[in-house]
Amino acid sequence: SQQGEEDPQALSIQEGENATMNCSYKTSINNLQWYRQNSGRGLVHLILIRSNEREKHSGRLRVTLDTSKKSSSLLITASRAADTASYFCATVSGAGSYQLTFGKGTKLSVIP
Amino acid sequence: EAGVAQSPRYKIIEKRQSVAFWCNPISGHATLYWYQQILGQGPKLLIQFQNNGVVDDSQLPKDRFSAERLKGVDSTLKIQPAKLEDSAVYLCASTSDFSGELFFGEGSRLTVL
Repeated sequence: SQQGEEDPQALSIQEGENATMNCSYKTSINNLQWYRQNSGRGLVHLILIRSNEREKHSGRLRVTLDTSKKSSSLLITASRAADTASYFCATVSGAGSYQLTFGKGTKLSVIP
Repeated sequence: EAGVAQSPRYKIIEKRQSVAFWCNPISGHATLYWYQQILGQGPKLLIQFQNNGVVDDSQLPKDRFSAERLKGVDSTLKIQPAKLEDSAVYLCASTSDFSGELFFGEGSRLTVL
């Protein structure tokens, strides 16, 4: 079953604009991760935020986590054409073995 | 450091035929995963190995899918017989610890006709 649900399903922006993607999940988590997938390629890890963290930055990426609302957001600032890809959130629950449960993803198109 | 290697990248078969995918994880990574990704969806876990033991195969359709991890390193995922709905990308991932990221291979794209 898929834990995370990304919103929107698709997003189209102009180069230089900011892109915001949201992820909601259902059960308590240990950490939440964001991955990027270019068309026809594997997934690449972007950033991990733990359940006791509220915000994290990495380069042009900013991730927030609100455990009370069971939601996270990924902000990409000053987007580039090369950011065109699908973005997935993945959650790791606090119980059981270490497994990532992925959402359906947001397809981002950055228009040059 | 070499990444996760998968082969073949592409495979086209007729329904009811069999197919096998191979994965070589990053050296030293004890945990290996196989995910199925149907077009337009997120990856779905099929099976998780810890060394050469199965941790979780609850979502593996065992009537047609099988997987093994030889000597705790390479892994093979087999489908026999294939159905049309098995058309997907099969992703292999590995990790060295239970607190961080997963490293994914490029995937094996299966088309069942």
